[in-house]
Amino acid sequence: GAVVSQHPSRVICKSGTSVKIECRSLDFQATTMFWYRQFPKKSLMLMATSNEGSKATYEQGVEKDKFLINHASLTLSTLTVTSAHPEDSSFYICSARVQTSGRALSSYEQYFGPGTRLTVT
Amino acid sequence: TQLLEQSPQFLSIQEGENLTVYCNSSSVFSSLQWYRQEPGEGPVLLVTVVTGGEVKKLKRLTFQFGDARKDSSLHITAAQPGDTGLYLCAGVYLGSSNTGKLIFGQGTTLQVKP
Repeated sequence: GAVVSQHPSRVICKSGTSVKIECRSLDFQATTMFWYRQFPKKSLMLMATSNEGSKATYEQGVEKDKFLINHASLTLSTLTVTSAHPEDSSFYICSARVQTSGRALSSYEQYFGPGTRLTVT
Repeated sequence: TQLLEQSPQFLSIQEGENLTVYCNSSSVFSSLQWYRQEPGEGPVLLVTVVTGGEVKKLKRLTFQFGDARKDSSLHITAAQPGDTGLYLCAGVYLGSSNTGKLIFGQGTTLQVKP
C-alpha cells in the first residue's frame, strides 16, 4: 500500500506557542489529504480536507484560524496549531487519498500516517 | 446527518472465539473501508468493499458489504491475541460532495485474551 509519513511523531509545547505538523506522501502524489483528530479510545474526527493549490475545506466547528492548513505540493500538507492551549492536546492523524482505478469516488482509498501526539503544557 | 453506527464498541473475548463487528447506516455508500489501529499508531487499511453483496477474505477475517450498500460486517474466526486493537469502518456516502471524505464509525475496541 501507499506510504504516508508524519513529522514529528511527538511534540510537547508550551501554551501560547504554535506547532507545525507535516504530512508527506512518500511514493505517490496526493492532490487531496485529510487531517483528523483522535481522542483516547475514540474514533477519528475529520477536521479538514486539504487540496493541493487551494484553500482547505474545514468541517463544522473547526476553527480555520487556529488550525492552519497548507498543501503547497503534491506530496506535502502541513497543519499548524496556532496559539496552542492544553485542550488542543490530542493525537493528530493525516491521510492521503489514492486513486486505485477509474474516476468514481469508489475508486479511491485513503492511507493514513502514523499520527502525531501533541501535548500542550 | 450522516451516521455510521458501529457495534459493539467494546469486545473482550478469549483466544479461539469467533466475533462479528457491524457497521450500519440509513444511507448508501459508494465504498466502505475497514481499518485496524494499534495504540499510538495510524489506522492501517485492511480492505475496501465496493460492490453490493461483496465478500472479501483476509486470512481469518471475512468482510461483507450489504446488498443495498448500507451496511457491512467484519467476522473474525478463531481470534488470536494479535488481533487485539481498534477496528474502524469508514465509508464514502453516495450522496456526498466530490471530496470523497470518509465518514467513520465509532470504532470497536477488541481485546483477545490468551
